[in-house]
Amino acid sequence: DGGITQSPKYLFRKEGQNVTLSCEQNLNHDAMYWYRQDPGQGLRLIYYSQIVNDFQKGDIAEGYSVSREKKESFPLTVTSAQKNPTAFYLCASSIGQGKAEAFFGQGTRLTVV
Amino acid sequence: KNQVEQSPQSLIILEGKNCTLQCNYTVSPFSNLRWYKQDTGRGPVSLTIMTFSENTKSNGRYTATLDADTKQSSLHITASQLSDSASYICVVIHMDGYQKVTFGTGTKLQVIP
Repeated sequence: DGGITQSPKYLFRKEGQNVTLSCEQNLNHDAMYWYRQDPGQGLRLIYYSQIVNDFQKGDIAEGYSVSREKKESFPLTVTSAQKNPTAFYLCASSIGQGKAEAFFGQGTRLTVV
Repeated sequence: KNQVEQSPQSLIILEGKNCTLQCNYTVSPFSNLRWYKQDTGRGPVSLTIMTFSENTKSNGRYTATLDADTKQSSLHITASQLSDSASYICVVIHMDGYQKVTFGTGTKLQVIP
């Protein structure tokens, strides 16, 4: 069953704790992305990676960190430095840039209490 | 400032009726424009991708149009079904030194029996 998988679907964490969101794809895509979605706002880019062992900050990278040790995996860590971490997080992948279609995971809803 | 604006913000229609969603953008230089459907609590799914030279593209009951001169796109849904209830997101891909993606805030469509 090919696709992009995010886990867990729901995540609850106490304030001040770091938490890591998983994103795995078996589409053999080079590029992977993390977005944050808040009510009434468009998706905002947190980090993206165009190739293994390389990643770039997006528009709202502060308080987040990523790694890309394997082509299939692009985990996102929400650190305690992120001031407002409660949100819906979406991971996406694409074969490359330009006209390439992006495939999204089902999202992880993170709630910090 | 590069922006993608969608209207209306929300829409309620009767099952079987048609509807048209609008997307105006100011981003440049333009690469391509995409429409996504996002069910509540799920990741977006691509409906259409259009480049500068394409005026219209269909995907079943969904037809997207693009006027690159006026920087406007529309998504027309024919003979709506209850399963069309979702948010529809317009996404513009443009080049700003590197490929950049700007998301609209979406139109929330509800189809009622």
